[in-house]
Amino acid sequence: SQKIEQNSEALNIQEGKTATLTCNYTNYSPAYLQWYRQDPGRGPVFLLLIRENEKEKRKERLKVTFDTTLKQSLFHITASQPADSATYLCALDNTGGFKTIFGAGTRLFVKA
Amino acid sequence: NAGVTQTPKFRVLKTGQSMTLLCAQDMNHEYMYWYRQDPGMGLRLIHYSVGEGTTAKGEVPDGYNVSRLKKQNFLLGLESAAPSQTSVYFCASTRSGGQSNQPQHFGDGTRLSIL
Repeated sequence: SQKIEQNSEALNIQEGKTATLTCNYTNYSPAYLQWYRQDPGRGPVFLLLIRENEKEKRKERLKVTFDTTLKQSLFHITASQPADSATYLCALDNTGGFKTIFGAGTRLFVKA
Repeated sequence: NAGVTQTPKFRVLKTGQSMTLLCAQDMNHEYMYWYRQDPGMGLRLIHYSVGEGTTAKGEVPDGYNVSRLKKQNFLLGLESAAPSQTSVYFCASTRSGGQSNQPQHFGDGTRLSIL
């Protein structure tokens, strides 16, 4: 069956450290993968998109990798800050139609 | 620009009641989507629209209807609400050309409880 999995356990890290979140998928062949941030009571906000032929993408303190062999994307936040505390969702395109498949998200807590 | 606006923000219904959720976007986007988000699950697509006057079923369409009479508005209807439809509903839009390489712009959701 098709699955997109993110760690359901919250990630707790200390301010200043690098946070690494994982997104694994099964039985998909996505051409694109996206990462979103969602704060409590708010809608998801787009952060980064990475294409299948890109190994790595960066935006300020954010870095995303995409390994189509391992079927995995890693999302890194360097020099993390308490303001980075949120839920982070990965999403991939289902090349069979107009459907983006979302993971359930990983909650990140950054402690001062 | 307001982006994507959803109304109402909260609503409590009794089983069997009907209601309509409204989504409005001011970005002139062609594509609009309705999702539901439940604890421990990813966003699930209910219905979507690729343009004014068009709608299509998503992953979990049963019990819902939609209409896109104007490009900027996408309505989600519950004809006879059931407790299983208790959820947070999100509307999203993309500029054009399908979802896969387009960032989705989301509203802040409607929290719906069915008693």
